Amino acid sequence: GESVGLHLPTLSVQEGDNSIINCAYSNSASDYFIWYKQESGKGPQFIIDIRSNMDKRQGQRVTVLLNKTVKHLSLQIAATQPGDSAVYFCAENISGAGSYQLTFGKGTKLSVIP
Amino acid sequence: KAGVTQTPRYLIKTRGQQVTLSCSPISGHRSVSWYQQTPGQGLQFLFEYFSETQRNKGNFPGRFSGRQFSNSRSEMNVSTLELGDSALYLCASSVGQGLNEKLFFGSGTQLSVL
Repeated sequence: GESVGLHLPTLSVQEGDNSIINCAYSNSASDYFIWYKQESGKGPQFIIDIRSNMDKRQGQRVTVLLNKTVKHLSLQIAATQPGDSAVYFCAENISGAGSYQLTFGKGTKLSVIP
Repeated sequence: KAGVTQTPRYLIKTRGQQVTLSCSPISGHRSVSWYQQTPGQGLQFLFEYFSETQRNKGNFPGRFSGRQFSNSRSEMNVSTLELGDSALYLCASSVGQGLNEKLFFGSGTQLSVL
């Protein structure tokens, strides 16, 4: 099956609320994880990353949590704004010699209700 | 710094034809990766090039090929197009010297096969 998957395909939140987007991965060898945001008509945009030796990383209004025990990754967006409406992808990297390949989840569509 | 540039933005082809897509990475980036994005399969890795050499290849038929030039610009080619090749083709670049690097994506080429 797919190595990286998302629990919910769609998520609707009220403007100003916090959003939580979840992601499950199955490969325990994965050691690097990235969240991307993709707006309509654009390519994926890097949001935040985390390495497997960490369990939490914070950015501007975003926090990524990594739980290696249950192979779970989440993206928290604080004070969600209409501009946050997009599809969010988690991606994992399994370190290999001399190459770089990301495995992406299917994506979660976040809709922000004004 | 200019981002990843992909041309053309849109393409319409018919079955059996071939197509060439172009990608210019961010200045200084030596790794270029290609991904196919479809509603059903999501983002799937095609191949990655570094210093004009293919370092890794995804699970796609031989009709999909690519190359990288000495200036790090890359092209991908799809021969004998099939209806199922209709997709958004995304190029991403990274520095290419580490195992865990951020990928920066272009806006993609939307290919429609009729």
